[in-house]
Amino acid sequence: DVKVTQSSRYLVKRTGEKVFLECVQDMDHENMFWYRQDPGLGLRLIYFSYDVKMKEKGDIPEGYSVSREKKERFSLILESASTNQTSMYLCASSPPGGAYEQYFGPGTRLTVT
Amino acid sequence: AQSVTQPDIHITVSEGASLELRCNYSYGATPYLFWYVQSPGQGLQLLLKYFSGDTLVQGIKGFEAEFKRSQSSFNLRKPSVHWSDAAEYFCAVGNQAGTALIFGKGTTLSVSS
Repeated sequence: DVKVTQSSRYLVKRTGEKVFLECVQDMDHENMFWYRQDPGLGLRLIYFSYDVKMKEKGDIPEGYSVSREKKERFSLILESASTNQTSMYLCASSPPGGAYEQYFGPGTRLTVT
Repeated sequence: AQSVTQPDIHITVSEGASLELRCNYSYGATPYLFWYVQSPGQGLQLLLKYFSGDTLVQGIKGFEAEFKRSQSSFNLRKPSVHWSDAAEYFCAVGNQAGTALIFGKGTTLSVSS
């Protein structure tokens, strides 16, 4: 059974803290993605990675960075968390090519106070 | 630019009644189309997908969707809704490279008894 796991389901951080969100997939997928989900806005792509150490900006990369040192792991980093980054964060993975669906993790609900 | 529109923010359907959720897309080439479902507090699960061929596609949980190129639509249907179908539904369009999905803003389905 395919699996994408995220390190935390709920996270509360203070403004200015550095925050790491971890995502691990066990399907040997090349592509990995980080989305942000907000009510009424749907899912918006923050970053994606198509290979180890490779990354591409999505639609809303400002305030975020990513790291992919191993194929199975994709980390989202908030260098200095702000209250407007309070949101649900979803990680996904997929094989290369558009003919494949993305598999999603359960999400991390981050609150920045 | 690619875009997806889900015109209905919230729909309420009686249990046992039929359901149709609307999705319109904008994409310059042959689209790769997906419907995902998200139960409260969960990640997204793929219901069905369309890449080519038969324009009526069957998915899990008794759902189906019809691709209509002339109307740029990919509407999701179910003949008889169950209370467990209450969730948020997302339509998405993908590119051939598989590097991103563009999601609609979602439709929340409530099921009344």
